[in-house]
Amino acid sequence: DGGITQSPKYLFRKEGQNVTLSCEQNLNHDAMYWYRQDPGQGLRLIYYSQIVNDFQKGDIAEGYSVSREKKESFPLTVTSAQKNPTAFYLCASSLAPPGNTIYFGEGSWLTVV
Amino acid sequence: AQSVTQPDIHITVSEGASLELRCNYSYGATPYLFWYVQSPGQGLQLLLKYFSGDTLVQGIKGFEAEFKRSQSSFNLRKPSVHWSDAAEYFCAVGGTGNQFYFGTGTSLTVIP
Repeated sequence: DGGITQSPKYLFRKEGQNVTLSCEQNLNHDAMYWYRQDPGQGLRLIYYSQIVNDFQKGDIAEGYSVSREKKESFPLTVTSAQKNPTAFYLCASSLAPPGNTIYFGEGSWLTVV
Repeated sequence: AQSVTQPDIHITVSEGASLELRCNYSYGATPYLFWYVQSPGQGLQLLLKYFSGDTLVQGIKGFEAEFKRSQSSFNLRKPSVHWSDAAEYFCAVGGTGNQFYFGTGTSLTVIP
């Protein structure tokens, strides 16, 4: 079945450590996205990528980094510079515009202690 | 600037009652509009979408939504709510680029 796979589902890290969240899609979608979700704040865009080897910052990119070496993969690294990294992270993908629909993975919970 | 407003943070309805979740958007061009549902700790699932044509769109799980350009609204409705509909609901707008804008969500509680 086609879809978006995020791993791990749950991740615990000590403060000051970098952590990488994986996102893989087999939908042959061109664009991929990372969102952060906090209670009561909806979804906030961290980074997005429309093609391989290219990506753009979203609204809250500080303290995060991404890469897009393959069309299927868009990993997110939460660096030690991110002041409040504990959150639910959602990966998504879509075809090229216009009139595209965005689809989501199941999310990853990151807890930093 | 593009934006989506969901005025109701939380709604409680009785099982079997009708439901309407409100969504207002701000977008300069013709919007592409979506409703998603999210169960706790899960990703977002697409309920329905409007791109063009008939302004009343049908979705999964018995949901429908009506696009009203004059009111910049895209409200979600269901005639009879089931206990399994309890979840978080998000309205979103997408444009001609690859940007999507989401509302802050409406949490639905269903009373047996």
